[in-house]
Amino acid sequence: AQSVTQLDSQVPVFEEAPVELRCNYSSSVSVYLFWYVQYPNQGLQLLLKYLSGSTLVESINGFEAEFNKSQTSFHLRKPSVHISDTAEYFCAVKGYGGSQGNLIFGKGTKLSVKP
Amino acid sequence: DAGVIQSPRHEVTEMGQEVTLRCKPISGHDYLFWYRQTMMRGLELLIYFNNNVPIDDSGMPEDRFSAKMPNASFSTLKIQPSEPRDSAVYFCASSTGVGEQFFGPGTRLTVL
Repeated sequence: AQSVTQLDSQVPVFEEAPVELRCNYSSSVSVYLFWYVQYPNQGLQLLLKYLSGSTLVESINGFEAEFNKSQTSFHLRKPSVHISDTAEYFCAVKGYGGSQGNLIFGKGTKLSVKP
Repeated sequence: DAGVIQSPRHEVTEMGQEVTLRCKPISGHDYLFWYRQTMMRGLELLIYFNNNVPIDDSGMPEDRFSAKMPNASFSTLKIQPSEPRDSAVYFCASSTGVGEQFFGPGTRLTVL
């Protein structure tokens, strides 16, 4: 079984500051990892994913996350945030091998970007 | 592709009434998921289907909740009778292959 811990429920930052949203997982098997973003009053959208290959993955809007197997982490980072990045961010994990099953989501981190 | 389609987008009903939420997954996706999101409990997986067959319904809160998937392009989540504590946003998602899920816009349910 897998589990996900998002260490911060809320992260307030000022515009143009860097940000890191932390995500740790536990799993007895190899995993796929995902970050989803939910803007106010909308559904969840995939931000980026790690399936295999390079441990550093990037999104089209400047976010990046690095899979660290030894620390079982998949932290999300952005060097300079914008007001429009204000949203809730969910980390998710899925073990591979066997049945596909469902994603295990963290409880979310609310990013609030202030001017 | 139109993405995952959910209807209605908003539903307001009175306690004791039956509520039916609908979902059309992305064509070709063979997994369908129902989630509930509240401020108190966050995002919860209720049930998921693979090839129209329910695989895991352990998240369904109680017998008042039921879900069906009569074919590959349609699923329903029914609450009968509804209660105020069922008020939440209900999301449907679909996927195929490695497991990336595509979410619908959600149905905001208010039970008075």
